[in-house]
Amino acid sequence: GAGVSQSPSNKVTEKGKDVELRCDPISGHTALYWYRQSLGQGLEFLIYFQGNSAPDKSGLPSDRFSAERTGGSVSTLTIQRTQQEDSAVYLCASSLGGHSQAFFGQGTRLTVV
Amino acid sequence: QKEVEQNSGPLSVPEGAIASLNCTYSDRVSQSFFWYRQYSGKSPELIMSIYSNGDKEDGRFTAQLNKASQYVSLLIRDSQPSDSATYLCAVSGGGFKTIFGAGTRLFVKA
Repeated sequence: GAGVSQSPSNKVTEKGKDVELRCDPISGHTALYWYRQSLGQGLEFLIYFQGNSAPDKSGLPSDRFSAERTGGSVSTLTIQRTQQEDSAVYLCASSLGGHSQAFFGQGTRLTVV
Repeated sequence: QKEVEQNSGPLSVPEGAIASLNCTYSDRVSQSFFWYRQYSGKSPELIMSIYSNGDKEDGRFTAQLNKASQYVSLLIRDSQPSDSATYLCAVSGGGFKTIFGAGTRLFVKA
């Protein structure tokens, strides 16, 4: 596609359920980022994939969060046993790698009730 | 010390004035510097990139970079109410990972 695509756009889930968020980056982009943004707050880095290198998971807030990137393309962010504090917008971005600009998807708004 | 620091604001300027947004970074080997604009409820979008010391102008926007001082700024001339948004500074350093600042909220009063 022309841009970074995220799905779903909105997700409402019950506390304790698992959720999967999907990111389809721009074709050819080797770098992929996941960020979280709570209402009125800045971007919180979660995880970074660069090519075939081991991902930088330093931003994942707990072991309930995990992410994978299959075939160097699509990425899935999984949150297990969701909590109310997980409610936020989850943004995915991709870039050509190196020191290139990042392009953002439209985000997934997660609400845990 | 945060890797990329910005004043959270809000910064309020009257319409037609110059808005000055500042950012400092800690990684001395940083090579690429970006300014993103984020409207409320929207995703960040790139408005300026700069890679070498000095100024880079694009329309009403000017990015300034001083690597010796580890400082990058964004000037918005003739500010308009439509410029009201959060401005994110982003830096790509030695690890190739792009790191974002927390953003500065700008309000342009009509």
